Amino acid sequence: AQSVTQLDSHVSVSEGTPVLLRCNYSSSYSPSLFWYVQHPNKGLQLLLKYTSAATLVKGINGFEAEFKKSETSFHLTKPSAHMSDAAEYFCVVSDGGDYKLSFGAGTTVTVRA
Amino acid sequence: NAGVTQTPKFRVLKTGQSMTLLCAQDMNHEYMYWYRQDPGMGLRLIHYSVGEGTTAKGEVPDGYNVSRLKKQNFLLGLESAAPSQTSVYFCASSYGLAGYNEQFFGPGTRLTVL
Repeated sequence: AQSVTQLDSHVSVSEGTPVLLRCNYSSSYSPSLFWYVQHPNKGLQLLLKYTSAATLVKGINGFEAEFKKSETSFHLTKPSAHMSDAAEYFCVVSDGGDYKLSFGAGTTVTVRA
Repeated sequence: NAGVTQTPKFRVLKTGQSMTLLCAQDMNHEYMYWYRQDPGMGLRLIHYSVGEGTTAKGEVPDGYNVSRLKKQNFLLGLESAAPSQTSVYFCASSYGLAGYNEQFFGPGTRLTVL
C-alpha cells in the first residue's frame, strides 16, 4: 500500500529566501513520485516527477526535488522564493505505475514581500 | 488548445437533487479521472476511465456514477445529492497510466449541497 505525508501544512517565507517543502512516502514497490502545485481557484499543475531515473529531479519555475530511498523522502526545494510561488503544493506517490495515486494533504506556501 | 475544461464552475444543490458534471479534453488522452478535494485531505479518486466505453471505481465511488461515451468526454453524475458530497471536483486526463505520466487538470467545480 502507498501513502504520503507532507510534514508541514503551512510554510511562510520571505521573497528571495529558500523554500523547503517536506514529503515522506510509504510504498511497497519502486515508487513514482510527483509534486503538483495549485494556485488559488485553479487546477493542479505538474512541477516535477521522479520515475526511477536520476534521483535529483529538476522541474519548472526553478523547483527541484531529491529522491532519497533510505529516508523515504522526496523534499521539494527552490533557492529563491518569488511572490508567484504562493500556492498549495501536493506531494503524490504511485506504486509501480498504477492508475491510483495517493495525494498528500498539501502544504500552503505564503511568500512575504 | 483548451486542455481540460469542466462545466459548471459552481453549483448549489438541495439534498436529494441530481446533477451531472461534464469534463472535456482536447488532447486525445486515453485516461480520464474524477477527483474530489476536501480541506486537509488532498485529492481522492472517485472514478476513472482507461478508454472510451470503459469506467472503473476509484477510492471513494459511493454515491457517484460516470460515463465515457466519447473519448474526449467524461461525465460524473450524482443521483441523489447529500451534504457529504459538498466538495470541489476536479477532472484530469493523461496520455498513459497516472503512475508514470503527467495528469492535466481542469479548473474544478465547486459544489455545495444544502
